[in-house]
Parts: sequence; structure tokens; C-alpha cells
Amino acid sequence: QVQLVQSGAEVKKPGSSVKVSCKASGGTFSSYAISWVRQAPGQGLEWMGGIIPIFGTANYAQKFQGRVTITADESTSTAYMELSSLRSEDTAVYYCARGLEMATHLVPFDYWGQGTLVTVSS
Amino acid sequence: EIVLTQSPGTLSLSPGERATLSCRASQSVSSSYLAWYQQKPGQAPRLLIYGASSRATGIPDRFSGSGSGTDFTLTISRLEPEDFAVYYCQQYGSSPLAFGGGTKVEIK
Repeated sequence: QVQLVQSGAEVKKPGSSVKVSCKASGGTFSSYAISWVRQAPGQGLEWMGGIIPIFGTANYAQKFQGRVTITADESTSTAYMELSSLRSEDTAVYYCARGLEMATHLVPFDYWGQGTLVTVSS
Repeated sequence: EIVLTQSPGTLSLSPGERATLSCRASQSVSSSYLAWYQQKPGQAPRLLIYGASSRATGIPDRFSGSGSGTDFTLTISRLEPEDFAVYYCQQYGSSPLAFGGGTKVEIK
């Protein structure tokens, strides 16, 4: 059974950066896209971008271009999402999610991490 | 970029009733690459439907999806107590992937 386990909650100052990890187990890591989706308090879901580890290149939503970096380490089956220049509006639960099919970003997500709360506050 | 609009925002129904949720896209969704998710408080979303009408693994057959082009529907034939939740549609036919704003199904 595939499991995605994310790192713990973070509290950050405005202007700083945060890096969230997502460790996969129980399945083939490299061939499936891992995306990052965030959810502000009481709000809906927002796709930030994703990576297919075997290809190594990430695909980002325009809104986050230049501020988000998504990487993956095949040796540890772990994906990372780093968001910089944090502001209060970035306060949200950040989820990693695995694509249903291999080798494409254009997928729905069948496995999700438990979510990581990132709070941005001075 | 495709924008998804879900309606209604809130649906108040009783257990045993039928729920019909709508998702409208600002432009045609390629190859009916439309998914539906259920989310309960404090939990990650759960995939219900993909490809507009295919049920994900383990999803009961009271959940069904239909539609194509720009108009899609999720139907829950008879609401069970555990079905009261928020439902999101997602298009994955083109980048950027996008989610609708959600429909909350609450107990009447």
C-alpha cells in the first residue's frame, strides 16, 4: 500500500522560506508525478506544481513561478517543496499527492500525504 | 487556464436523499479529464471519480460521475451519514491543473 508521509508543522516569519518533505513508501516512486496542493484555512484546494522524479524536471503553476521549488530524491523516495518569500497569505495546509498514472503530470491524485500546516506570522 | 465553477455552494439534504453536484469549466476539458474528490474536516481529499465517470478503487457505486466538454455532474444516489462532506472537482486535461471551489453537502 502506497503511503506518503510529510514532515511536521512549521511556523515561519514573513520573508523567510519553508521546505516541506514527502516520503513515499510501498510503491514505485520514480515513475509517478508527485504534486503539491495547498489549502488555506477554510478555503479550497490549489495546485502549486509537481515533479516526475525519473525525469527530474518540475512543472509549476504560474502563480508560484519564481517562489516555489519542487525537487525529488530518488535514493530516499522523498519529494520536497520549498516556498520562499513567505507572506501571511501562504498560511495553509500543504499536501503532497501522487498521480494515478505513470509518467505524466496530467493526472488525478490517488494517494495523499497527511498534510503539513505552515503558519506565516511575525 | 481553465477555471472550474462548482454549484451549489452548499447542499442541505437528509440521509437517503439524492445529491446532484455540478462542475462547470470555463473551456472544454480535454478528453473528459475531470475528477471528483471528497474531503472531510481535518483529512486529506479522497479520489472518488476520474475520467469524468470512472470510480476510483474502493468507491461505492452510489457515487457516479457524468458529463463532458464543460459540464460535469457528481451524483450520490442515496446519501449515507458518512457522505456529508465537501466535494471538489478537478480538471487534469491541461496545465495548470485546477480545482473547483467546492460544494459542501450538509445534513438538513
